[in-house]
Amino acid sequence: NAGVMQNPRHLVRRRGQEARLRCSPMKGHSHVYWYRQLPEEGLKFMVYLQKENIIDESGMPKERFSAEFPKEGPSILRIQQVVRGDSAAYFCASSLSSIDTQYFGPGTRLTVL
Amino acid sequence: SQQGEEDPQALSIQEGENATMNCSYKTSINNLQWYRQNSGRGLVHLILIRSNEREKHSGRLRVTLDTSKKSSSLLITASRAADTASYFCATDTGNQFYFGTGTSLTVIP
Repeated sequence: NAGVMQNPRHLVRRRGQEARLRCSPMKGHSHVYWYRQLPEEGLKFMVYLQKENIIDESGMPKERFSAEFPKEGPSILRIQQVVRGDSAAYFCASSLSSIDTQYFGPGTRLTVL
Repeated sequence: SQQGEEDPQALSIQEGENATMNCSYKTSINNLQWYRQNSGRGLVHLILIRSNEREKHSGRLRVTLDTSKKSSSLLITASRAADTASYFCATDTGNQFYFGTGTSLTVIP
């Protein structure tokens, strides 16, 4: 059973471009969480999705950021018109249910030039 | 894979008692972090301790770090029913971020 997969592992964008980060949950997992980590800081919760539904997006900036988890395919975190402050590591986690352990992917390190 | 190991896996205490959770890891780290997870919620960051620090406090939380033993402990003093949750340690090596297996804490009112 493959773990949580994220791609790309490293992403470089220029200011104003779009960044699309993908997360494939563990097999059988329908709950996905996205986190952002700034250097030397802890993970900050962004959004919690369950297949086709956003359950909690309280940690996600209102503008430029969006997330989806379609019926088929990976979860996508999209950042439009990236700025330098978006440079961070973005981690996703998946779980079997809302009460089960979250398993983390290796993260995507986004660098905005 | 996750490199952290935590013990105990589950802990049940009475309200008002102290709860101690331990975390061990395998490689050199830049910092170690503790998180809480309530059912159905995202992880909540509790405290970060850097590799050159030995102890850190935040409210009722006390974290220690022993890099020679590659271990850390989280102490929650005067526990409350609302502290019932799963607690995870995470190690940041600079290149990788690893989570431990977690301790499930139940505080009985």
